[in-house]
Order: sequence, then C-alpha cells, then structure tokens
Amino acid sequence: DQQVKQNSPSLSVQEGRISILNCDYTNSMFDYFLWYKKYPAEGPTFLISISSIKDKNEDGRFTVFLNKSAKHLSLHIVPSQPGDSAVYFCAAMNSGGYQKVTFGIGTKLQVIP
Amino acid sequence: DTEVTQTPKHLVMGMTNKKSLKCEQHMGHRAMYWYKQKAKKPPELMFVYSYEKLSINESVPSRFSPECPNSSLLNLHLHALQPEDSALYLCASSHGGQGFGETQYFGPGTRLLVL
Repeated sequence: DQQVKQNSPSLSVQEGRISILNCDYTNSMFDYFLWYKKYPAEGPTFLISISSIKDKNEDGRFTVFLNKSAKHLSLHIVPSQPGDSAVYFCAAMNSGGYQKVTFGIGTKLQVIP
Repeated sequence: DTEVTQTPKHLVMGMTNKKSLKCEQHMGHRAMYWYKQKAKKPPELMFVYSYEKLSINESVPSRFSPECPNSSLLNLHLHALQPEDSALYLCASSHGGQGFGETQYFGPGTRLLVL
C-alpha cells in the first residue's frame, strides 16, 4: 500500500519556466512533509519541508504548498534551471512516532536549456 | 555542515563473505538510520537508532546486523547475503530530539553488488 504517491514519473520543463511536482498521501496521521532531490549515484539531498500547521513554505526558488483537506502537496521551482534536473522525492512522516519517513517513488525532472 | 559520510562507495561481495558498511556524522545528531534503495524505487527504511539504541527494525533479515558504537558512528554488518540484496544502502541522521518533525540528512550511499 503506497501511502505517498507521485503519479508523474517524469516531467520536462524549459529553462526559466515553472516546474510543478505533485504528491498525494493517504495516511491522515502524516503531519510533516519533505522534498528531497537526488542525482544519480548520490544520496537524497534535503530541499524543503512543511509542517501540517502551514499551507505554504518558501525557500528561494522553491515553494511547497500543502492542501490538508485534499491530502496533496506540490513543489514549485521558479525559475527552473538545468541544474535542477534530478529525481525529486516527496516524503512524509508522523512526528508523533519514531521519525519514520515514507517516501514516494520519485519524479524525474528534466530542465531543458 | 550537514554532511553524512559513508564508506565504501562501492562494494562487491560473494554470498559467503562478511563485510561492513560504515556511516559517520559530526552534526551532533542522536538519531541515525539505514535505508535500502533498489533501482527506480524509493528508499526503504531498515533500522533506526535513537541515542545509540535500536528503536526500529523493519523486519530486516538477520543477515543484516546494525551496530551503533557511539553517537557519531553507525555500521551495518553483512553476512551471507543474497544477490537480491544488491542495492544502494543509504545512511541518514537527524537531530533525534522529541521536537515536531525532523529532517533527515542522507549520506551518498554505498552501492552494493552481491554475486
């Protein structure tokens, strides 16, 4: 049972445009959400997080939006740059538990120069 | 500094070998994790250590044996592995406190091939 779903396996965006990566979750106990970026043969790199008490968090070019009623979050990257090309993992956790992070399957983003 | 280091980067072993993976962090984190990632799949949690004590074992076979010698080090001892255990093994750490939501920081991983 996949509790964190990333339904788009890949996404191509022109450099300078907005990239929007989507994520849905099913477990209503999740209250902290993270996005990680991963290059081939490297470990995931933390990008941005959001707690369930917020609906938006922004860090430079990266903004995460959370819609709790829809159990949906999205990552916006503006403007997209070729160096953003990577696999992006959505992750969620129930902070009342033992810090167990559940990952989505990832979306491969390609930013075309 | 949010660096987690892992050695070796690559490891090839036979099914009768014994080997160890090592992970180190100097961020003062008190929670450390082992994940396994197969190709085109998300990372899957294996073990969690909190304050040097094993707090989660996600029903991992006993051929994988974790060890946390101190708060900065985490080992994963491997013995009698199977070819299907070939994967990228990731170590992560987090603050380990009781606060709301903690970000886990990952190392670069060890690419393991079992022949």
